[in-house]
Amino acid sequence: TQLLEQSPQFLSIQEGENLTVYCNSSSVFSSLQWYRQEPGEGPVLLVTVVTGGEVKKLKRLTFQFGDARKDSSLHITAAQPGDTGLYLCAGDNAGNNRKLIWGLGTSLAVNP
Amino acid sequence: ETGVTQSPTHLIKTRGQQVTLRCSSQSGHNTVSWYQQALGQGPQFIFQYYREEENGRGNFPPRFSGLQFPNYSSELNVNALELDDSALYLCASSLGPPGNEQFFGPGTRLTVL
Repeated sequence: TQLLEQSPQFLSIQEGENLTVYCNSSSVFSSLQWYRQEPGEGPVLLVTVVTGGEVKKLKRLTFQFGDARKDSSLHITAAQPGDTGLYLCAGDNAGNNRKLIWGLGTSLAVNP
Repeated sequence: ETGVTQSPTHLIKTRGQQVTLRCSSQSGHNTVSWYQQALGQGPQFIFQYYREEENGRGNFPPRFSGLQFPNYSSELNVNALELDDSALYLCASSLGPPGNEQFFGPGTRLTVL
C-alpha cells in the first residue's frame, strides 16, 4: 500500500517565523502536488513538482522534490496569518490504477 | 469557465438512511474523484471515474457507490448510513488521465445522527 506521511501534523507559530513541512514515502511518484485548504472550502493546488531535485518558488513558499522522487518539502519564509490552513501533499502513482495518493495534511496556524 | 460545483452544501440524515451527493465537473474535465474528509485530516480517496467508468477505488465498503454521466457530472451514493459516515465529501475533477491536477468543489457536509 502506497502511503504519504506528512509531518508535522499540527503547527502553531508566530507571524514572521519560518517553517518546513515534510512529505515522505517509500514509494516513487511521477509527480507530487501540494494543495492548501481553508475551512469550508476544497483544496486548491499550489504547485506540482515533477523532476527529482526540482525546486519551485511561489513568493514566500519554496517547494522541493527529493532526488529519488519519494519525498518533498514545503518551506514558508516569514509566515503570515494568511498562510493559516491545511497543507496537503499528493503523489501521482502513475501505475495501472493511476490515482493521487494523499497525505493526511499539516494544519498550520500563524498567530499575529 | 465554470468551476466544480457540489450539491447539497449541507445534509443531515439518520442512521440507516441512504444519501445521494451530486457533482458537476469543471467544463471539459473527464475525470471525477470522490473523497471523504474528516475534520482536520486529509482527504480519503473513495473512488474515481474516467470517461464514465470506475477507474480505481479506495478502501471503502460496497455501500459507497457512484456514477459518472455522459456530461461527466457524477453522483456518490451511500446506503445504510452509519454515524462514522459523517464527514465532508469532496468531489474533484481533472482533465485527461487520472493523476493530473485536480480542481475541487466546496464539498458537501454530511451529518449522520
